[in-house]
Amino acid sequence: GAVVSQHPSRVICKSGTSVKIECRSLDFQATTMFWYRQFPKQSLMLMATSNEGSKATYEQGVEKDKFLINHASLTLSTLTVTSAHPEDSSFYICSATGLAGVNNEQFFGPGTRLTVL
Amino acid sequence: TQLLEQSPQFLSIQEGENLTVYCNSSSVFSSLQWYRQEPGEGPVLLVTVVTGGEVKKLKRLTFQFGDARKDSSLHITAAQPGDTGLYLCAGDLRAIKGYSTLTFGKGTMLLVSP
Repeated sequence: GAVVSQHPSRVICKSGTSVKIECRSLDFQATTMFWYRQFPKQSLMLMATSNEGSKATYEQGVEKDKFLINHASLTLSTLTVTSAHPEDSSFYICSATGLAGVNNEQFFGPGTRLTVL
Repeated sequence: TQLLEQSPQFLSIQEGENLTVYCNSSSVFSSLQWYRQEPGEGPVLLVTVVTGGEVKKLKRLTFQFGDARKDSSLHITAAQPGDTGLYLCAGDLRAIKGYSTLTFGKGTMLLVSP
């Protein structure tokens, strides 16, 4: 149980285009989903927290107009990187928490490798 | 500001050796989680510790939560090449922020050579 999927696993796009990443909780209802960014050989940095049906809460320094988050249902959240630039290239990971976790554990997706040319 | 200090950042050892990874903070956590991450994959939850002084064992891995719930350690006995990976500790800041959110340590990259 507590499986989280992400799609796509890898994406390459041209500078200036937008990219959408999906995060799904496959076997539980995710009341809250989180989006992280990870640079090579570094730890995870929280970008935003989203609760189903409400606006996402962004961490300081994260542009909400650039990283659009939608949490339309209890099993799906999407992150759209708008007008992507090479510096947006990174490993994006989502996590979900809900009734699957006894102690508010977050269950992570496999990540999406974004490369902006 | 790094809330959770994790050390060492890199560890290269031989198969069969023991090792300990530490996570320290001046903040109190409602719980602390340990994850292991392989390159190009998401973190996988190993354990959650909740009670001060708690000790949990997972085969050759022993996790301890400090009495004051500010620090934690991961001890691996007789490390094997399959233990190679990035180990991450993450503290839940619910006691401070009023809602559940994780802050991660910088991670410990463990390399176990045959």
